[in-house]
Amino acid sequence: DTAVSQTPKYLVTQMGNDKSIKCEQNLGHDTMYWYKQDSKKFLKIMFSYNNKELIINETVPNRFSPKSPDKAHLNLHINSLELGDSAVYFCASSQEWANEKLFFGSGTQLSVL
Amino acid sequence: GESVGLHLPTLSVQEGDNSIINCAYSNSASDYFIWYKQESGKGPQFIIDIRSNMDKRQGQRVTVLLNKTVKHLSLQIAATQPGDSAVYFCAENTAGSASKIIFGSGTRLSIRP
Repeated sequence: DTAVSQTPKYLVTQMGNDKSIKCEQNLGHDTMYWYKQDSKKFLKIMFSYNNKELIINETVPNRFSPKSPDKAHLNLHINSLELGDSAVYFCASSQEWANEKLFFGSGTQLSVL
Repeated sequence: GESVGLHLPTLSVQEGDNSIINCAYSNSASDYFIWYKQESGKGPQFIIDIRSNMDKRQGQRVTVLLNKTVKHLSLQIAATQPGDSAVYFCAENTAGSASKIIFGSGTRLSIRP
């Protein structure tokens, strides 16, 4: 019944590894997002997809590659993980593009050692 | 840089009292403002929103006030309860082809019994 679900909830890995975070929404929304929240709780948008098309890419390093196989899924793959990638990553969705009410997942806490 | 900020990073309130969380924004072109609540271990949750053509909007126990003259936004919570303990974010959106939501840095609200 979870509206926006992301897995895993916790991810601990070594520097240099490649990892993926998956996100699915069952709300029938057209738009999905990835946000990064740092240790000071600051939330910053990374990517936005509308109907599987990339809309926003906020100067995120190329090591981060989102993939949207359909409009209900937006996965995030990260190559060559760095210490500074440690954060909580939130997936979110909204009914349509420029509909600002976001529904967030519960987050994935990534720790890079 | 980010244009949304908060006056107080933490706020401690007696249970039953009213809480007021303040937010300043700098982009006069922003036309939509949202308050989100983030409980520990969860993603942000939509509370209430307001458009720039309004100066006040009320929900259940919450009221948002918008003062465009001084670019100030506030969230008032009536009869604060323990369940209101969370980090509160204001966010703004500026209509346009790259419409995106920018979050402020958050205020932690703690409730004293």
